[in-house]
Amino acid sequence: DGGITQSPKYLFRKEGQNVTLSCEQNLNHDAMYWYRQDPGQGLRLIYYSQIVNDFQKGDIAEGYSVSREKKESFPLTVTSAQKNPTAFYLCASSPRDLSGNTIYFGEGSWLTVV
Amino acid sequence: GQQVMQIPQYQHVQEGEDFTTYCNSSTTLSNIQWYKQRPGGHPVFLIQLVKSGEVKKQKRLTFQFGEAKKNSSLHITATQTTDVGTYFCAVKAAGNKLTFGGGTRVLVKP
Repeated sequence: DGGITQSPKYLFRKEGQNVTLSCEQNLNHDAMYWYRQDPGQGLRLIYYSQIVNDFQKGDIAEGYSVSREKKESFPLTVTSAQKNPTAFYLCASSPRDLSGNTIYFGEGSWLTVV
Repeated sequence: GQQVMQIPQYQHVQEGEDFTTYCNSSTTLSNIQWYKQRPGGHPVFLIQLVKSGEVKKQKRLTFQFGEAKKNSSLHITATQTTDVGTYFCAVKAAGNKLTFGGGTRVLVKP
């Protein structure tokens, strides 16, 4: 099946620990994105990448880090510096040029920090 | 950065009734996309509008792009329980990324 796979779907972590969320796509898309969604809220962009070995900060990058070593993979690390990390995290991908194209989302990862 | 405002934030609809949600921008848009997110799910693309005044229909859903390309609307007729979810508009921002509106959360009363 073609698509975007996020893992794990549910994750619990203790406060102060780093955690890495996985995102893999087999759609051959150049661009990948990470969004954060808080309950009842919209989607806020954390980081995005247009090409391998390159990425840019989104609107709420503080406390997060990413890497893009392979075209199909874009893992997100939620560091201990993120003050309120409990949220729903959505990974997405698209062709490099969004004009006339859409983005496709994975099923998301629920992170709860206790 | 590019921002879009969606109203209303919540929409409680009686089953069978119609409703409209709106997406507004202070700047002219090149295009606008609409997504639907079911409760507990992920956003799924519905449609893209590109031309000024464009109207597109998907069964009971009618999407419109304003003449000035600064606003858009989604109108749902004869609402069904399957319409429950959050509807987001999204616009392409500088840097080839999508910025999403805050969404309209639709609840349907049977």
